Amino acid sequence: GENVEQHPSTLSVQEGDSAVIKCTYSDSASNYFPWYKQELGKRPQLIIDIRSNVGEKKDQRIAVTLNKTAKHFSLHITETQPEDSAVYFCAAHDSWGKLQFGAGTQVVVTP
Amino acid sequence: EAGVVQSPRYKIIEKKQPVAFWCNPISGHNTLYWYLQNLGQGPELLIRYENEEAVDDSQLPKDRFSAERLKGVDSTLKIQPAELGDSAVYLCASSFRRDTEAFFGQGTRLTVV
Repeated sequence: GENVEQHPSTLSVQEGDSAVIKCTYSDSASNYFPWYKQELGKRPQLIIDIRSNVGEKKDQRIAVTLNKTAKHFSLHITETQPEDSAVYFCAAHDSWGKLQFGAGTQVVVTP
Repeated sequence: EAGVVQSPRYKIIEKKQPVAFWCNPISGHNTLYWYLQNLGQGPELLIRYENEEAVDDSQLPKDRFSAERLKGVDSTLKIQPAELGDSAVYLCASSFRRDTEAFFGQGTRLTVV
């Protein structure tokens, strides 16, 4: 089955700086890669996703890149703000239909 | 439009007791997931339904966990008997189809004492 690894586990950035979270996956047939943000005590919510036929997608301050050959994808947050502080999860939808999550990255944005 | 609804939000039970969680997915969503989330970790898939069929339950501890999705809509997840290690947040999610955005419910926080 799919195995998703996520790094780093914690990330501290100054407000206004950029944050980058990286994930790798094992199933080369995986075709859908969502990113979720989870604030303390709340449900995970989708912030951006990308499909295997696209290399990059951007939505305002967040962007995701996908390298199918290397089987890795990354989340980029620019001009970070305190409200970006949360846990971010990458996920991969494998060829069996299973949506597998990474272990999460705790992002702390300090003013 | 209502999102994914789960109940109860919190549950405290003694070990060896049974417990059940309920999930009402978004209307029209064919795919339903049950995940377990421990503190500081990512959601771990327990079972996935396509309509009323459980298509992936390989990670469901079948000796004590059971699930059903009657008529392909609401779903229940049951634990009997509960163990201390079952304490976690149980998340339900649904999606229109399996490779589209999954919407999560608020989760049920289970504490086994």
